[in-house]
Amino acid sequence: RKEVEQDPGPFNVPEGATVAFNCTYSNSASQSFFWYRQDCRKEPKLLMSVYSSGNEDGRFTAQLNRASQYISLLIRDSKLSDSATYLCVVAFYAGGTSYGKLTFGQGTILTVHP
Amino acid sequence: NAGVTQTPKFRVLKTGQSMTLLCAQDMNHEYMYWYRQDPGMGLRLIHYSVGEGTTAKGEVPDGYNVSRLKKQNFLLGLESAAPSQTSVYFCASSFLSTGLTTEAFFGQGTRLTVV
Repeated sequence: RKEVEQDPGPFNVPEGATVAFNCTYSNSASQSFFWYRQDCRKEPKLLMSVYSSGNEDGRFTAQLNRASQYISLLIRDSKLSDSATYLCVVAFYAGGTSYGKLTFGQGTILTVHP
Repeated sequence: NAGVTQTPKFRVLKTGQSMTLLCAQDMNHEYMYWYRQDPGMGLRLIHYSVGEGTTAKGEVPDGYNVSRLKKQNFLLGLESAAPSQTSVYFCASSFLSTGLTTEAFFGQGTRLTVV
């Protein structure tokens, strides 16, 4: 089983639609969670950190469910500019070495069309 | 505000040639990483470093070596390039804050083609 798995996608939605991505992780000791956005093979950039209580940033809402080991990203009122690949990232705190290994999901491609 | 800088940005190598990719960060981050990204494979960790003078293997380390002689620099070496190493390479850095790994900051990537 992969450490981090995402919805395979791709997602093709019209402008204004609401779209949700899910991501599951296998290491129950994972402690930090993020959603990144990547455009056209450019470098990934942080979209949101994901906190236990869930968090919202404008049209974007991230949720964390530790019991089921998944995180989600909800995009409301989709814009053409939201077209990108969305990467789920999980970090595991390794204790003594203080190393937080960042593991990426394969990414989900979103295309928003007029 | 440079952040993470990778050099070179593009390179074409012949099979068997060697090269070094340089990653430099000016944020005083402890952790640095090298990933490769291939179509349909996502980002895969090659090697990482938790501090100056320390390195460790990631998910796909074979054919690569790394060094971190200075905290701000993380070098990725290919001793004998193979076509299978054609990929986009990303360097990233992050730090530990109150026991949690923070977000990673990425360089712009190096597009390497081995012919």
